[in-house]
Amino acid sequence: KQEVTQIPAALSVPEGENLVLNCSFTDSAIYNLQWFRQDPGKGLTSLLLIQSSQREQTSGRLNASLDKSSGRSTLYIAASQPGDSATYLCAVSVDNYGQNFVFGPGTRLSVLP
Amino acid sequence: DGGITQSPKYLFRKEGQNVTLSCEQNLNHDAMYWYRQDPGQGLRLIYYSQIVNDFQKGDIAEGYSVSREKKESFPLTVTSAQKNPTAFYLCASTDRGADTGELFFGEGSRLTVL
Repeated sequence: KQEVTQIPAALSVPEGENLVLNCSFTDSAIYNLQWFRQDPGKGLTSLLLIQSSQREQTSGRLNASLDKSSGRSTLYIAASQPGDSATYLCAVSVDNYGQNFVFGPGTRLSVLP
Repeated sequence: DGGITQSPKYLFRKEGQNVTLSCEQNLNHDAMYWYRQDPGQGLRLIYYSQIVNDFQKGDIAEGYSVSREKKESFPLTVTSAQKNPTAFYLCASTDRGADTGELFFGEGSRLTVL
């Protein structure tokens, strides 16, 4: 059974730092991996999606990488800002039929001004 | 703008009552999902539907029911049989025909049992 973990569970950094969030999954047979952001009391907002054939995706200050063989993905946030404070979740999809998404528990990020 | 609309945002229920959470999407997505989120826990799948008039139980379906009479709508009923219904409920959808399989979410509904 696919399991997804995220380390650390919480992270606090000063504004301007570059940071890395980690996501690990136990079964490398994935279709894609998606990173989400969740603000308190809100839904999940999709940040980046990496398909299984890809190694990385970039959007603005965000860069996500995928190493399927080792079961790992990282989300790199450059020049962090207080507005980046949120919980970041990763999820893996095991097929394109949309039957099975497995989510990690999230990393709660605080960027201090 | 295309998206997923959940209502109500906040809902209070007395014990023994059934309540229905609405989820409407105008993304023309085939697949829709209901997740439950509790503090300190990951998202858990309640029900999902791949096409109209068909739905499947997820990991924690007991005490919940759904219907999928229209492609754009996937309401969730929390019945009195659900022992601990206080939680944050999230509806999601994806386009099964797309290569990416990207998942989109609504803003969520918070249910509190009094």
